[in-house]
Amino acid sequence: NAGVTQTPKFRILKIGQSMTLQCAQDMNHNYMYWYRQDPGMGLKLIYYSVGAGITDKGEVPNGYNVSRSTTEDFPLRLELAAPSQTSVYFCASSRTQSGELFFGEGSRLTVL
Amino acid sequence: GENVEQHPSTLSVQEGDSAVIKCTYSDSASNYFPWYKQELGKGPQLIIDIRSNVGEKKDQRIAVTLNKTAKHFSLHITETQPEDSAVYFCAAKDEIKAAGNKLTFGGGTRVLVKP
Repeated sequence: NAGVTQTPKFRILKIGQSMTLQCAQDMNHNYMYWYRQDPGMGLKLIYYSVGAGITDKGEVPNGYNVSRSTTEDFPLRLELAAPSQTSVYFCASSRTQSGELFFGEGSRLTVL
Repeated sequence: GENVEQHPSTLSVQEGDSAVIKCTYSDSASNYFPWYKQELGKGPQLIIDIRSNVGEKKDQRIAVTLNKTAKHFSLHITETQPEDSAVYFCAAKDEIKAAGNKLTFGGGTRVLVKP
C-alpha cells in the first residue's frame, strides 16, 4: 500500500495564481484532512471530510476550497495565492473518527 | 475552542539520557491525547496515545502521563538514541464533541539527540 500520496512536493506560486494540491489514499479511509504547518505553530486544520460528498471547515479555511468526489481523493484548491499561504501542507486520513491519522509526506508551497 | 501549549520548543539531550516534553490543554472535556513524531521530510506518525481513563501508558522506551486535574500531559523518552531526533507534537481532542477526528495540536518540540 502507498498510504497517503501528495503531489506536488514543492511548488512556487506568484501572488494571485491558483493551484490544486492533490491527495490520494489507498486505505479505503472515510475520513480525510488537510493541515498546514507553520514554523513553531503546530498543525492547523484547514478542511476535513467524513466521506465522499461531505466536507467541512476546520480552523483556518479562508482562501482554500476542497472537494471529495471519491473516497480516495481529497484535493485542496488555492484560488488566489497570497504570501500568508506560504506553508507546508499535509494531507491525512483516518479509518474512524477517533482513529490514528495517517499523513502524507507534505507539500511545501511558497507564494512570492 | 481547545488550546494546546507545548514546551520546550527545542530540546537537546545526550544519547542515553531521558527527554521529557510537556503539554497543557485548556478544554477540560478533552479526553484523547496522542503524540506524533515527525522525521525530517516526512509526515507526522503516531507513536503513542492515552485516553483520560488512565494516568500512564508505556511502550518500550516511551511513556505518556496524564494529569486531568492539572490539564497537562507529558511524553517521556528514556535511553534516547540518535533515531529519536525528530519533531514531536502533542494533541488533544474531545472525542464526544469533536466531529471528524479534529485534533488540536501543540506547536511542536524539536528534539536533538547528540551522540
